[in-house]
Amino acid sequence: LAKTTQPISMDSYEGQEVNITCSHNNIATNDYITWYQQFPSQGPRFIIQGYKTKVTNEVASLFIPADRKSSTLSLPRVSLSDTAVYYCLVGDDSNSGYALNFGKGTSLLVTP
Amino acid sequence: DVKVTQSSRYLVKRTGEKVFLECVQDMDHENMFWYRQDPGLGLRLIYFSYDVKMKEKGDIPEGYSVSREKKERFSLILESASTNQTSMYLCASSYARDTQYFGPGTRLTVL
Repeated sequence: LAKTTQPISMDSYEGQEVNITCSHNNIATNDYITWYQQFPSQGPRFIIQGYKTKVTNEVASLFIPADRKSSTLSLPRVSLSDTAVYYCLVGDDSNSGYALNFGKGTSLLVTP
Repeated sequence: DVKVTQSSRYLVKRTGEKVFLECVQDMDHENMFWYRQDPGLGLRLIYFSYDVKMKEKGDIPEGYSVSREKKERFSLILESASTNQTSMYLCASSYARDTQYFGPGTRLTVL
């Protein structure tokens, strides 16, 4: 079973800001939170990673509260090309060392 | 740029056949991963490897085995393919545990 929880789908219009939240109650002390983007018929690609507070790059921002039990990916002014599935990845301290858990992903649809 | 390649984009096999899926990365990464992706289930980890000849089971290892004889190559083996193994198979590699670089995927159909 996945150890993260995300909304299954979201819809947005072009130009709006989109926020996607991921819950990860069992995050380990040393784990980072990483988000990936996947277009149809392609493998996922890394978009942003953070440990706490806020991280921003040219693509997105990532907000992480002090308890780190959730994170929010923020996409400013989305365009049609941002239509994709977004995955949240965190470590899992309930299994041995290298267990990795992807969320089931959030399917974002951006329309004109 | 990291490049992860997979031997086939599309593959059709028959029930009971032995199937090999090959993955090669060119960035000297220690870690390599095999996932399968099915509608509504997201990415599920089958096996991963953190060094040559080392492997660890993921969430759904049943029906699969892996081989890592060289650092750059990680193979997924279906000893006797079954129809419920029809899926998209994705390979990834990483230096750090979390930042993974994915290949384009192999869509396997088992008839």
